[in-house]
Amino acid sequence: AIQLTQSPSSLSASVGDRVTITCRASQGINSLLSWYQQKPGQPPKLLIYGASNLGHGVPSRFSGRASGTDFTLTISSLQPEDFATYYCQQLKDLVYTFGQGTKLEIK
Amino acid sequence: QMQLVQSGSEVKKPGASVKISCKGSGYSFNSYSINWVRQAPGQGLEWMGWITHTGKATYSQAFTGRFVFSLDPSVNTAYLQITSLEAADTAVYFCARDIRSYYYMDMWGRGTTVTVSS
Repeated sequence: AIQLTQSPSSLSASVGDRVTITCRASQGINSLLSWYQQKPGQPPKLLIYGASNLGHGVPSRFSGRASGTDFTLTISSLQPEDFATYYCQQLKDLVYTFGQGTKLEIK
Repeated sequence: QMQLVQSGSEVKKPGASVKISCKGSGYSFNSYSINWVRQAPGQGLEWMGWITHTGKATYSQAFTGRFVFSLDPSVNTAYLQITSLEAADTAVYFCARDIRSYYYMDMWGRGTTVTVSS
């Protein structure tokens, strides 16, 4: 099965910073990669689908890119509400896999 | 308003069974598959599998045997049943609507906490 490795596992940043989280697939996959944000006690929220498409109602400071087996989620200017855990997810051979998560904390 | 409403928290003893519900409203429930995702305390998200709108279930390798997905289209509800509960099943279980065009989960229930303890 495909493995998704997110880096970093945790990250400290300040409001206004630009941050990038990477998700690397263990083998070549198509562009069916999504990103989710999860805050404590809440379900995940879709941010990006199809590697680079913004989910409904998601602020434009979030963006996604794909390059081979590397996928990135970028937040252009961190807002206080962005401090959360982020997960990538992909589907291959009708099996979904999640990355292990990246916890974004306030510096 | 589109939403998935899950049943409430459960506390069970080891060896017991539990059945969690996930009721859809505000959209055509019978046109979408439902995923089930587990999150153990302090851990990440783990995909358990899905059930299509026709009732065909697919299970992740780690969730075969004691886990059963089912569907009652007449009440727009999906179910997850877990038998022979173990302490390791203590987790939050989420249902999530599947979007097949790009394969992602666009709407999630708030989660059902299952605690297995003697």
